[in-house]
Amino acid sequence: GNSVTQMEGPVTLSEEAFLTINCTYTATGYPSLFWYVQYPGEGLQLLLKATKADDKGSNKGFEATYRKETTSFHLEKGSVQVSDSAVYFCALDQRNDMRFGAGTRLTVKP
Amino acid sequence: DAGVIQSPRHEVTEMGQEVTLRCKPISGHNSLFWYRQTMMRGLELLIYFNNNVPIDDSGMPEDRFSAKMPNASFSTLKIQPSEPRDSAVYFCASSLMGGGNQPQHFGDGTRLSIL
Repeated sequence: GNSVTQMEGPVTLSEEAFLTINCTYTATGYPSLFWYVQYPGEGLQLLLKATKADDKGSNKGFEATYRKETTSFHLEKGSVQVSDSAVYFCALDQRNDMRFGAGTRLTVKP
Repeated sequence: DAGVIQSPRHEVTEMGQEVTLRCKPISGHNSLFWYRQTMMRGLELLIYFNNNVPIDDSGMPEDRFSAKMPNASFSTLKIQPSEPRDSAVYFCASSLMGGGNQPQHFGDGTRLSIL
């Protein structure tokens, strides 16, 4: 079945550091790929998405590129802020079958 | 725009009691999902509905759990009888059903504690 594997956390960075959170997937066909973010006490929010190979999703300085050849969708940000501290979930959706990764907790220190 | 609305936000009750969690999806969305989140098991899909019809309930842990969607604007998740191991945050999400590229919109969750 379809599945998502993402980098285990927690990840701790200093403000303005570069962020990468790895995500790889297993699926037949061509799923849509998503990154969600969860702030404390809240539900998951869509951060960005990509629906086909080589698409780049971007939002709030975060980017991820749909790489079919490596079945990956790594999340990157060039300069993190304290306000980016949250849990990040990679997910795929194929015909309404949504699968989430285990989540990666990011803490950014001033 | 109103998002997904869940109630209550917090529930504390004694084991053996019946618990009912409520969800109002975003108007116009035709898919609804119930998730459970714990530190140990992460985010687990319990059940989802398309057009008010349950499609996949394979994630429902046992017969003590049941979910209904009587109309397009309301769903409930019921636990009867409740047990301490049911303590978790329960999320409801909704989306437009459309080929798998529609994001899910989550409510803020119900934090459930069973004593």
